[in-house]
Amino acid sequence: NAGVTQTPKFQVLKTGQSMTLQCAQDMNHEYMSWYRQDPGMGLRLIHYSVGAGITDQGEVPNGYNVSRSTTEDFPLRLLSAAPSQTSVYFCASTPFGKGYNEQFFGPGTRLTVL
Amino acid sequence: QQQVKQSPQSLIVQKGGISIINCAYENTAFDYFPWYQQFPGKGPALLIAIRPDVSEKKEGRFTISFNKSAKQFSLHIMDSQPGDSATYFCAAREAGTALIFGKGTTLSVSS
Repeated sequence: NAGVTQTPKFQVLKTGQSMTLQCAQDMNHEYMSWYRQDPGMGLRLIHYSVGAGITDQGEVPNGYNVSRSTTEDFPLRLLSAAPSQTSVYFCASTPFGKGYNEQFFGPGTRLTVL
Repeated sequence: QQQVKQSPQSLIVQKGGISIINCAYENTAFDYFPWYQQFPGKGPALLIAIRPDVSEKKEGRFTISFNKSAKQFSLHIMDSQPGDSATYFCAAREAGTALIFGKGTTLSVSS
């Protein structure tokens, strides 16, 4: 299993540009989520999905869109990039349910918005 | 409102010493408390986790102590090694919801 994969690893955007961060997992996990990590702020939840066709907002959803058309893929879209979105983005997946299940993280995408 | 408060923000420990990181929470519905370890340039990885019906869990040199009445839990790293130098995050989760993370502790173990 490749686990959770993310592309690209690095990206530089200009203010106002749009782009999609890709996330895929091959563990057949129902639950997937996107976090951003900023110095001194920990990991903050952007959006999450409990299964194909179902998404919901997390703590910091503004400026981001998601969709979940398949179990495997959970892309994050930046509609109009802003310097405040400069961050490291992590995708994660876990089997959904009441069990105490490990959440697996991808390697991250480092995004810089100029 | 910060749901999971983690301290200290940074920690320097000598090789062989004990590293202690503390977390506090408010939501009594939390039922899962993991600790994640993150090395530079990598994603966080699960280190150890505990449920609230257990007061302590030990895995090798890593121990979680859990105090339900005080709504606090801590990570102890015994015989700390330079290879333990990393950022550590505590987290908590209510059943069926997303993990809520603390702000992280950067641990440096000096040799």
